[in-house]
Amino acid sequence: ILNVEQSPQSLHVQEGDSTNFTCSFPSSNFYALHWYRWETAKSPEALFVMTLNGDEKKKGRISATLNTKEGYSYLYIKGSQPEDSATYLCAFITNTGNQFYFGTGTSLTVIP
Amino acid sequence: DSGVTQTPKHLITATGQRVTLRCSPRSGDLSVYWYQQSLDQGLQFLIQYYNGEERAKGNILERFSAQQFPDLHSELNLSSLELGDSALYFCASSADTGANQPQHFGDGTRLSIL
Repeated sequence: ILNVEQSPQSLHVQEGDSTNFTCSFPSSNFYALHWYRWETAKSPEALFVMTLNGDEKKKGRISATLNTKEGYSYLYIKGSQPEDSATYLCAFITNTGNQFYFGTGTSLTVIP
Repeated sequence: DSGVTQTPKHLITATGQRVTLRCSPRSGDLSVYWYQQSLDQGLQFLIQYYNGEERAKGNILERFSAQQFPDLHSELNLSSLELGDSALYFCASSADTGANQPQHFGDGTRLSIL
């Protein structure tokens, strides 16, 4: 069983604060890294697909970076808003057998 | 709305029974993925189909099987059900077979085994 770890497990921030969290994965057999946003009572929604070491992706106030050599990805949210409250999941995909491994997520609560 | 449809939304059954979960992928998507989320667990990858063929297999029990039909909808069959099979089962679809495509998730089927 391969471990994908996300930290912190949960996070409470004030509206307007910027925040970031981490997805750690094995540095070998890397193929792709996905980030998803999962709001309560909804289904996961894709944020980013990252495939190259050094990738940086941005969507509005949310951005992500990827370091495949050391096995981590950061997700940043600038100027958090209450509607950013959700669980953020990362998924590590191997280049052997096309296996998908999801982390358990970081639960973000933005306090108005 | 992701465009992925899962039915039924809820299913309650007893141990030893067999159930079928159904998934219609987003229009144009050829890949279908099945995931299980048990209580306090993350999403566990079960299996992927691409254009009717099995593409990748994860931690899927032998009691579970899946298939993808010519119209690209997929079914996940769970048999000899046990209490531990109670979980939320998600289907997702993507345009192609590669993991460089984002997945689009359905709303899930909540399975409760009594």
